[in-house]
Amino acid sequence: EAGVTQSPTHLIKTRGQQATLRCSPISGHTSVYWYQQALGLGLQFLLWYDEGEERNRGNFPPRFSGRQFPNYSSELNVNALELEDSALYLCASSLVGQGAGYTFGSGTRLTVV
Amino acid sequence: KNQVEQSPQSLIILEGKNCTLQCNYTVSPFSNLRWYKQDTGRGPVSLTIMTFSENTKSNGRYTATLDADTKQSSLHITASQLSDSASYICVVSAGTSGTYKYIFGTGTRLKVLA
Repeated sequence: EAGVTQSPTHLIKTRGQQATLRCSPISGHTSVYWYQQALGLGLQFLLWYDEGEERNRGNFPPRFSGRQFPNYSSELNVNALELEDSALYLCASSLVGQGAGYTFGSGTRLTVV
Repeated sequence: KNQVEQSPQSLIILEGKNCTLQCNYTVSPFSNLRWYKQDTGRGPVSLTIMTFSENTKSNGRYTATLDADTKQSSLHITASQLSDSASYICVVSAGTSGTYKYIFGTGTRLKVLA
């Protein structure tokens, strides 16, 4: 069974540009979560999508946004990139209602220069 | 407030030695607790998952314990190897069906030296 896949693996952008990160959940999982992990820091919750809708949002500015598609894959968009947006962005998927934790992807390393 | 605290923040041990990582939580209602291992620059990988009724669970050289009364969990690593160098993250799931939240600890960074 394929795990959670994220693309691209690495992304380099210039300050002010937009970045789009993609995530494909495990087959059958309806929930997708996005996290930001700056170098040396813990995971910070960004967004939770389930059944195509945004269910919860972390303490991040509106330029962090996303969506979930009918096939449950998801995109994270970061507009007006700032240097401090440089981080590892992790996606995880789960079955809502299971409470059994979830599976992470390998992440996208975003570098803003 | 739901919180998960891990200690120590960082730990350095010699190859072959044992170590124990701690996770204390104030989460309600508790659903389950999971330990993840995260290699630098990679996504976290699940080591163990424990529900309210489980006290101990092992995965190779990793043994997790859970004391639901004191709201504490530990991850014990036996006969450490260089490849154990990573961050270990405790994640507690809170809530009831359909309303789960996942609360992350900030992790313990383990360095195993030869």
